[in-house]
Amino acid sequence: TAGITQAPTSQILAAGRSMTLRCTQDMRHNAMYWYRQDLGLGLRLIHYSNTAGTTGKGEVPDGYSVSRANTDDFPLTLASAVPSQTSVYFCASSRTSGGTNTGELFFGEGSRLTVL
Amino acid sequence: GQQLNQSPQSMFIQEGEDVSMNCTSSSIFNTWLWYKQEPGEGPVLLIALYKAGELTSNGRLTAQFGITRKDSFLNISASIPSDVGIYFCHGNQFYFGTGTSLTVIP
Repeated sequence: TAGITQAPTSQILAAGRSMTLRCTQDMRHNAMYWYRQDLGLGLRLIHYSNTAGTTGKGEVPDGYSVSRANTDDFPLTLASAVPSQTSVYFCASSRTSGGTNTGELFFGEGSRLTVL
Repeated sequence: GQQLNQSPQSMFIQEGEDVSMNCTSSSIFNTWLWYKQEPGEGPVLLIALYKAGELTSNGRLTAQFGITRKDSFLNISASIPSDVGIYFCHGNQFYFGTGTSLTVIP
């Protein structure tokens, strides 16, 4: 069972370069999310999408963009990477029940990004 | 933004001991969820709470949704080595606690 698949699993990137982190889910969940995880700061929401065709900003959206062209894919793009974007990035999705988002998140295994 | 204060930050316990951790918020939440993260992996949902006052168990885990809707706790009874990991509380899609790192000493 795949669930949420993220790629790449790790990447080293020069500052100023662009990068897209890929996320695909096979659970047909409507809502998808991108979080970054930094030591001592827990998980912070970058962007989210409640359904295909819509996106929203989370707690730390600056320097990141997302798109949601279909239900399954939710890529995260860094247009011009900076060292402060060094982090572990997690993609997640959540199921709905009776038309309501349950908030129960299913996570990918993470993408470790180092910006030098 | 909203803050979820999770404590303790870390715990070192002997195998067989019980564990308790909690989360508090300045805001009211409609759901409280608890996740566990093992090294190199994404968090995995342990327990979901949807009603104030709700007490829910999942094996050796018990969690409660505080009556004020501003707090929740997670208990682990009779800890075992595989309980090692970081435990996060989650108030809604936006906000996670900063995590409790649990080490179980055999």
